[in-house]
Amino acid sequence: DVVMTQSPVSLPVTLGQPASISCRSSQSLVYSGENTYLSWFQQRPGQSPRRLIYLLSNRDSGVPDRFSGSGSGTDFTLKISRVEAEDVGVYYCMQGTHWPYTFGLGTKLEIK
Amino acid sequence: EVQMVESGGGLVQPGGSLRLSCAASGFTFGRDWMSWVRQAPGKGLECVANINQDGSDKYYVDSVKGRFTISRDNAKNSLYLQMNSLRAEDTAVYYCARHSRDPDDWGQGTLVTVSS
Repeated sequence: DVVMTQSPVSLPVTLGQPASISCRSSQSLVYSGENTYLSWFQQRPGQSPRRLIYLLSNRDSGVPDRFSGSGSGTDFTLKISRVEAEDVGVYYCMQGTHWPYTFGLGTKLEIK
Repeated sequence: EVQMVESGGGLVQPGGSLRLSCAASGFTFGRDWMSWVRQAPGKGLECVANINQDGSDKYYVDSVKGRFTISRDNAKNSLYLQMNSLRAEDTAVYYCARHSRDPDDWGQGTLVTVSS
């Protein structure tokens, strides 16, 4: 199975400051030489996961433009340009290229 | 508005069975792959099973193969997960999700607790 390694596990951030989460896969996530099925999810306390980013860098409708995804091959990053209070929660990366599709263990973002 | 509502969770003894259902609305159900994703208490997310548009293609994570069966009824806009020979490690919130490679819409989840 593809292992998704996320870091850091915990991310304390001051309001208004940037934040960055890293995700590395144990295999390339490029599918058929074209798409990279790497997504990012946010899970607020007590809620279902919400997709933020799909296909590496496409932001979902309604997701603030302070969220951005980047990377290639096996190395990926979620960036938040200026953290707001509503961003508190756990963030997961997920690969949808190789079955079984797998998630990282999560990064807990909290306000410092 | 896309909506998915799971039901059927509960407390079951080890070795028992449960059938989860997911009622979908707000999109053309029969056009999309669907998935079941679970989350053990306080833990991360795990893709358990997914199914293609007409139900002819199904995939399972190794830990549930031979015990769980995913199915769908497109006429009823419904997704199912039959879970047999349940184990303590199957205890989790089970989410129904639209799409499989990059699930974009999720239900609220239904809790399955396997305990004696």
